[in-house]
Amino acid sequence: QLQLQESGPGLVKPSETLSLTCAVSGGFIGSSSYYWAWIRQSPGRGLEWIGSIYYSGSTFYNPSLKSRVTILVDTSKNQFSLKLRSVIAADTAVYFCARDTRILYAFDYWGQGTLATVSS
Amino acid sequence: QSVLTQPPSASGTPGQSVTISCSVSSSNIGSDYVYWYQQLPGTAPKLLIFRNDQRPSGVPDRFSGSKSGTSASLAISGLRSEDEADYYCAAWDDSLSGPYVFGTGTKITVL
Repeated sequence: QLQLQESGPGLVKPSETLSLTCAVSGGFIGSSSYYWAWIRQSPGRGLEWIGSIYYSGSTFYNPSLKSRVTILVDTSKNQFSLKLRSVIAADTAVYFCARDTRILYAFDYWGQGTLATVSS
Repeated sequence: QSVLTQPPSASGTPGQSVTISCSVSSSNIGSDYVYWYQQLPGTAPKLLIFRNDQRPSGVPDRFSGSKSGTSASLAISGLRSEDEADYYCAAWDDSLSGPYVFGTGTKITVL
């Protein structure tokens, strides 16, 4: 059974960089037909797709966040990561990683989510 | 970016049927497909319906989806207490490369 687990600091200061990692187990991140995504959820913004990455490193991002986001993949560790720069209070959210299946064009496996709070 | 609008809440008693609507504000949806996710309290969203009306393995047939024009619907028949959750519609905006847009969400309460 595929499992995804987010990890990273729960507290980030304004203007700094939020860094999160998603460890994938029970499956290989380099499988074809699958991208790997970051999605966040906050009371003010609801569910928001941040971006997706293929094992080759090909990415596409939400235009609303593209200037501040980098998603990277490490196939040797079977994990992918998120960096969100210049964070503000509105970036406070629960961040989920998920499998983005290009068979269904949907997110079919999700991590449990991790709360990242932006505060000084 | 398109906006997917849902009613904030709906309710029903056990055994009843409930329908949730999802209205697409723009014609820029990159495909004809709408997706539905169920989010139980304190958990991650779960894929419930894909490609308008298809259920992933393990999703009960009490859940059904449909789409007509710029509106989609999720119907839950034989409502159960465990169906109390938030439900979100979603679609790819502009193209199948993104962005992926989620609806505003509907809270289903089982009375």
